Amino acid sequence: QLQLQESGPGLVKPSETLSLTCTVSGGSISTSKFYWGWIRQSPGKGLEWIGTIFYSGSTYDNPSLKSRLTMIVDTSKNQFSLKLSSVTAADTAVYYCARQGLVLVPGTVGPGSFDIWGQGTMVTVSS
Amino acid sequence: DIQMTQSPSTLSASIGDRVTITCRASQSIRSWLAWYQQKPGKAPKLLISKASSLESGVPPRFSGSGSGTEFTLTISSLQPDDFATYYCQQYNSYSPFTFGPGTKVDIK
Repeated sequence: QLQLQESGPGLVKPSETLSLTCTVSGGSISTSKFYWGWIRQSPGKGLEWIGTIFYSGSTYDNPSLKSRLTMIVDTSKNQFSLKLSSVTAADTAVYYCARQGLVLVPGTVGPGSFDIWGQGTMVTVSS
Repeated sequence: DIQMTQSPSTLSASIGDRVTITCRASQSIRSWLAWYQQKPGKAPKLLISKASSLESGVPPRFSGSGSGTEFTLTISSLQPDDFATYYCQQYNSYSPFTFGPGTKVDIK
């Protein structure tokens, strides 16, 4: 069955760039049936959507993070990645990658709910 | 942004109780709402999409209803495995997708 696994440094210094990769196994990332998303959860807090990418490379970004956010997809490695620049302590969180289904509405197609999640990886921003 | 609220924030219940959690959106999201269950140290698990569609493998004691701005998640008979935090999420608008603050269901 499809599995997602986040990887990357667990500690990032303030003002530096946080980089994470999500590796998809048990299925192809190169599908028109799903999108691929990032969500984070600060310690003891709720869930915040970061951004979503399609296998073609098109993205949907959270406006609050857009200026610092870069997402790419590497179909040859079945991976997608996140880079968040100029991090501060407020970016300390568990970061999840997840598969998003499609929303089909007459005239438009877009990302839907997050149906399969990675286990999450804790990233701490500290000097 | 579409703001999502949930009530109550915490709910104390006993095994066998019928439990209802409410989620409200700041504007209409039609039926584009999902419900997730999260246990400590684990990733959220999708329970319901499109307001009332039960995901494969989710016990039928879970059900969802509503449209527009008001939605409910109901657990018909609370089981020991159901003690967790529940989140709603709207996907009517991706600018941005937003989650509710969560409802913690704990043991009475």
